[in-house]
Amino acid sequence: GAGVSQSPSNKVTEKGKDVELRCDPISGHTALYWYRQSLGQGLEFLIYFQGNSAPDKSGLPSDRFSAERTGGSVSTLTIQRTQQEDSAVYLCASSEGLAGNTGELFFGEGSRLTVL
Amino acid sequence: DQQVKQNSPSLSVQEGRISILNCDYTNSMFDYFLWYKKYPAEGPTFLISISSIKDKNEDGRFTVFLNKSAKHLSLHIVPSQPGDSAVYFCAASGRSGSARQLTFGSGTQLTVLP
Repeated sequence: GAGVSQSPSNKVTEKGKDVELRCDPISGHTALYWYRQSLGQGLEFLIYFQGNSAPDKSGLPSDRFSAERTGGSVSTLTIQRTQQEDSAVYLCASSEGLAGNTGELFFGEGSRLTVL
Repeated sequence: DQQVKQNSPSLSVQEGRISILNCDYTNSMFDYFLWYKKYPAEGPTFLISISSIKDKNEDGRFTVFLNKSAKHLSLHIVPSQPGDSAVYFCAASGRSGSARQLTFGSGTQLTVLP
């Protein structure tokens, strides 16, 4: 596709349920990121994938959060046993990777998660 | 510990005047800085960037200034237009040209009044 695509755009779930958020990056982009933005907060880094390297998971807030990237393309962020504090907009971004990179990330429109 | 700080959560400016958005950072390893703009219900979009070897970068109505000694950068928009109303995020990276783990500020909501 022309841009980063995320689904679902909105998700309302009950506390304790698991959710999966999907990201389809720009074709050819080797780097993929997940960020989240809680209400009134900045963008919080969660996880980063670069090519076939091991992902940088240093931003994941707890072991309830996990992400995978299959075939170097589509990524899924999974939140298990959701809590109310997980409510946020989850943003996916991709970039061309480190080589020749200008630091520009291309963001999707985000998935708004509401945990009741 | 916020490494990138935007101390003004909001700013209102009259159309045609200059908008100045400020950003401070604490990590001296940051050497590449970017500004992103975000409209409601959309993802952030890249606006302008500057590397530490420069102190100014200009692109049309947008200019970013970097003061390394003060660990401060600012975004100037002149003249401001109503369509510029958005949240502006400052971001910093530790490697020149690398997007790895961009650290974002909390954003400044700019409102340009017609």
